[in-house]
Amino acid sequence: DQQVKQNSPSLSVQEGRISILNCDYTNSMFDYFLWYKKYPAEGPTFLISISSIKDKNEDGRFTVFLNKSAKHLSLHIVPSQPGDSAVYFCAASKYSGAGSYQLTFGKGTKLSVIP
Amino acid sequence: DTGVSQDPRHKITKRGQNVTFRCDPISEHNRLYWYRQTLGQGPEFLTYFQNEAQLEKSRLLSDRFSAERPKGSFSTLEIQRTEQGDSAMYLCASLMRGEHGYTFGSGTRLTVV
Repeated sequence: DQQVKQNSPSLSVQEGRISILNCDYTNSMFDYFLWYKKYPAEGPTFLISISSIKDKNEDGRFTVFLNKSAKHLSLHIVPSQPGDSAVYFCAASKYSGAGSYQLTFGKGTKLSVIP
Repeated sequence: DTGVSQDPRHKITKRGQNVTFRCDPISEHNRLYWYRQTLGQGPEFLTYFQNEAQLEKSRLLSDRFSAERPKGSFSTLEIQRTEQGDSAMYLCASLMRGEHGYTFGSGTRLTVV
């Protein structure tokens, strides 16, 4: 079963407008959530994260919102720039019981920012 | 230290051959992970090391797969008797104790023909 879901495979946004990427999860044991950005032929790059005890975290043009009751999070990018075009992965973290936090990823959303 | 390094970047092999990939994590990170990503999917967990100890293995890691991290530094992932279904991007990541955000390498793209 897929514990982290990104239901939109792709999203197109005009440059300067807001991009909103959504993510849903099912496992209540997740206690930390992260967004990664991935360009072709490269590994994922960490973008922003949020703890389950918060509902918002902001870093420059990027803001992540968490709604625990709905098991939903979203990433807002304002204003969107052509360089933001990439695949965005939502990831959820839970303690694995072996001394670390294991990440579970969604399938990704491909964002295209049109100049 | 410039991040997580993976070698090779690309590998094409014939079905049935053995392949080995290497990962050099960030030096102060004692936790190391291997993930696999196939087309249209997110990265999937394969295995985890804390220092030299392999503490977790996914059920995705069949007995044809073996990973090591001698001396708690670099790690290798070996696939024996490769199959076409092994074609994927193999990602290595490292993590410092107490953190949540992995640092990924650029990955090794494996193509089995």
